[in-house]
Amino acid sequence: DAGITQSPRHKVTETGTPVTLRCHQTENHRYMYWYRQDPGHGLRLIHYSYGVKDTDKGEVSDGYSVSRSKTEDFLLTLESATSSQTSVYFCATQTGLLGSPLHFGNGTRLTVT
Amino acid sequence: GQQVMQIPQYQHVQEGEDFTTYCNSSTTLSNIQWYKQRPGGHPVFLIQLVKSGEVKKQKRLTFQFGEAKKNSSLHITATQTTDVGTYFCAGTSNTGKLIFGQGTTLQVKP
Repeated sequence: DAGITQSPRHKVTETGTPVTLRCHQTENHRYMYWYRQDPGHGLRLIHYSYGVKDTDKGEVSDGYSVSRSKTEDFLLTLESATSSQTSVYFCATQTGLLGSPLHFGNGTRLTVT
Repeated sequence: GQQVMQIPQYQHVQEGEDFTTYCNSSTTLSNIQWYKQRPGGHPVFLIQLVKSGEVKKQKRLTFQFGEAKKNSSLHITATQTTDVGTYFCAGTSNTGKLIFGQGTTLQVKP
């Protein structure tokens, strides 16, 4: 969808280790988002970016950081992974027009043991 | 803060029965979007409603946006096994933020 690639698709890591998830898009969309999806909670926004080097926090940003050095790449870093961060992570892009649809990547399933 | 509540959380229906999911916002929305996520997949955009009282149809799916632009519904007529998945509404607030509902997971028994 909209040329969005998330990597890795699956990862198992240990508590306390840093983890970086990558989102790469080929559509030159301005906005990029990181969501986590957990049963009973739907999609919760972690961080988003409205341009290169312009990022902001979402509703569940604690323990996460992001970087966007190029339009096409948006990285999500778990500074010190905890078991509560076991989740499915989705990247999404948006053209930038107010209220335009989101295009989602295929997701990364992260397990923290 | 702004919230979009979606009900029910789960719905099991017999194939051929109708299905409806509802979204309610605490504030007026600029628009509302609907997404479908198949099991194991990612959310895929279905439709966007913008106008007060708007009704749109996609085959067996009917989408409505309330007169006050605070609520919306998705109705599926005569469900099929291919309708299985989780349906999300997402409202755009007047500040431009997109707020997702919790989703309704639909199971269809053949």
